[in-house]
Formats: sequence, C-alpha cells, structure tokens
Amino acid sequence: NAGVTQTPKFQVLKTGQSMTLQCAQDMNHNSMYWYRQDPGMGLRLIYYSASEGTTDKGEVPNGYNVSRLNKREFSLRLESAAPSQTSVYFCASRRKLGDGAGGELFFGEGSRLTVL
Amino acid sequence: GENVEQHPSTLSVQEGDSAVIKCTYSDSASNYFPWYKQELGKRPQLIIDIRSNVGEKKDQRIAVTLNKTAKHFSLHITETQPEDSAVYFCAAPTSGTYKYIFGTGTRLKVLA
Repeated sequence: NAGVTQTPKFQVLKTGQSMTLQCAQDMNHNSMYWYRQDPGMGLRLIYYSASEGTTDKGEVPNGYNVSRLNKREFSLRLESAAPSQTSVYFCASRRKLGDGAGGELFFGEGSRLTVL
Repeated sequence: GENVEQHPSTLSVQEGDSAVIKCTYSDSASNYFPWYKQELGKRPQLIIDIRSNVGEKKDQRIAVTLNKTAKHFSLHITETQPEDSAVYFCAAPTSGTYKYIFGTGTRLKVLA
C-alpha cells in the first residue's frame, strides 16, 4: 500500500495563477482532509470530506476549493493564488475507530507551495 | 466552536529527563484524544491516543493522561532521548462531526 499520495511535492506560482493539489489514498478510508502548515501555526484545517460526495469547510477555507472526486481522491484548488497561501499542504485520510469522529489520520508527505 | 490550546510552544529538556505537554479543549462532547509527532521535514504520525472512557494510557516511554472534568489531556515522555526531538501536536476531534482540529504544536528539544 502506498498510503496517502499527494502531488506535486513542490510548486512555485505567481500571484493570480491557479493550481490544483492532488491527493489519493488506497486504504479505503471514508474521510479525507486538507491542512496547511505554517511556522508557529501548527496544522490548520482547510476543508474536509466526511465521505464520498460531501465536503465541509474547516478553519481556514477562504481562497480554496475542494473536490471529492471519488472515495480515493480529494483535490484542493487555488483559483487565484496569493502570497499568503505560501505554505506546506498536507492531505490526510482517517481510519475510523468504529464510532464517532476519532481514529488515526494518515498523512501524505506534503506539498510545499510558494506564491511569489 | 471547537478550540484546542496547547502549551508550551517550545520545551527544552536534558536527555534522560521527562517532558510534559498539555492540551485543553472546549467541546465537552469530544471523546478521542490523539498525539502526533512530526520530525523535521516529515509528515505527522500518530504516537498515542486515548478514548474518553479511560484516564491514562501508556506505551513504553510515552503516556497520555486525560481529565475530562477539567477538559485537558497531557503527553508524558519519560527518559527522553535525542530522537524524541520533534514537534508534537494534540487534537480533539469533535464528536458527531468529522472536523479534526489540532493544537498549535510544541517543539521539543532534547539536549544531549
């Protein structure tokens, strides 16, 4: 199993450009997440998808859109990139515990995005 | 809304000493409390978690304690080693939703 795979690993954009971060998991997990990580800010939730066909806003959704393409794939799109979106982006999927919202998150390796 | 506060933001200990990191949460319905470790340049990985029906869980040198009344839980690392140096995150997923909110992290440095 590859686990959670996200692409690209590195990307440089100019202000106003658009791009999509791709994420795929092969663990048959229902829930998937996108986080951004900035120095001193920890992991902040951008969007999440509880199950195929649903998406919800997290803590910092402005400037982003997501698509849950199928059970395996969850993409993050920046329509008009801004320097404030320079960050490391992590995709994750959740192994459900059996009830409730708990369970281990499995993270991808991260995508380092720089917006000039 | 959900809020997870984590302290301290940085922690330096001598090798062999213990380290304690504390998190407080706001949603009394939370029932699952994990801790993640992130080494430099790596992805976060789960190191230990606890359900609300127990007060403490141990796994070798690490342990997590939970006080549901006070709404806080703590990570304890004993006999620290240089390889424990990393950033540690707590989380408190809100029961009934799938939002998984993390604390702001603690950078632990173990000094040899």
